[in-house]
Amino acid sequence: GAGVSQSPSNKVTEKGKDVELRCDPISGHTALYWYRQSLGQGLEFLIYFQGNSAPDKSGLPSDRFSAERTGGSVSTLTIQRTQQEDSAVYLCASSSTRTTGELFFGEGSRLTVL
Amino acid sequence: DQQVKQNSPSLSVQEGRISILNCDYTNSMFDYFLWYKKYPAEGPTFLISISSIKDKNEDGRFTVFLNKSAKHLSLHIVPSQPGDSAVYFCAAIPRSGTYKYIFGTGTRLKVLA
Repeated sequence: GAGVSQSPSNKVTEKGKDVELRCDPISGHTALYWYRQSLGQGLEFLIYFQGNSAPDKSGLPSDRFSAERTGGSVSTLTIQRTQQEDSAVYLCASSSTRTTGELFFGEGSRLTVL
Repeated sequence: DQQVKQNSPSLSVQEGRISILNCDYTNSMFDYFLWYKKYPAEGPTFLISISSIKDKNEDGRFTVFLNKSAKHLSLHIVPSQPGDSAVYFCAAIPRSGTYKYIFGTGTRLKVLA
């Protein structure tokens, strides 16, 4: 597709379950980001992938969160043993440059943990 | 520690008038600033940006002003249109780790017809 694609668009899960969120970036974009927006909050940086370099995981809030990017393209964000405070919109973005440049966001995955 | 702050959660403006959205930052090392617009159920989309070496950048109805001494950024939309109603986020990039965009909490703009 032409834009960043995220799935699922909505996910409702029970506390303690694991969830996987998927991001398919724009073809050819080497940089991929995960952000999260909790209710009333700004966009919180989670993790950054750039090409084959080691990802910057400094924004992941706990060790229950992990992400991988296979083949330099699709990325999966995994949240284990979900908690209610994990409820948020998880946004993926990609860009074609390593440094300053426009980020192209997907529509987000809204996660609700009951 | 909120390094990028948008202190007005919402703003209402009459169609045709000017909308001014404000953003303050605390880190003097920020090198580049951007504004994004977000409609409900959509991802944010890039609107306009400015480098720290400039104090103004204009693109059609949108102008961004940067006051480095005050660590203040503003977005002017003139004339405002109902289609501009959205949440606006400002973002900043530090010189180190230039990929780590830091976003504000957003301002919801409502343009009244």
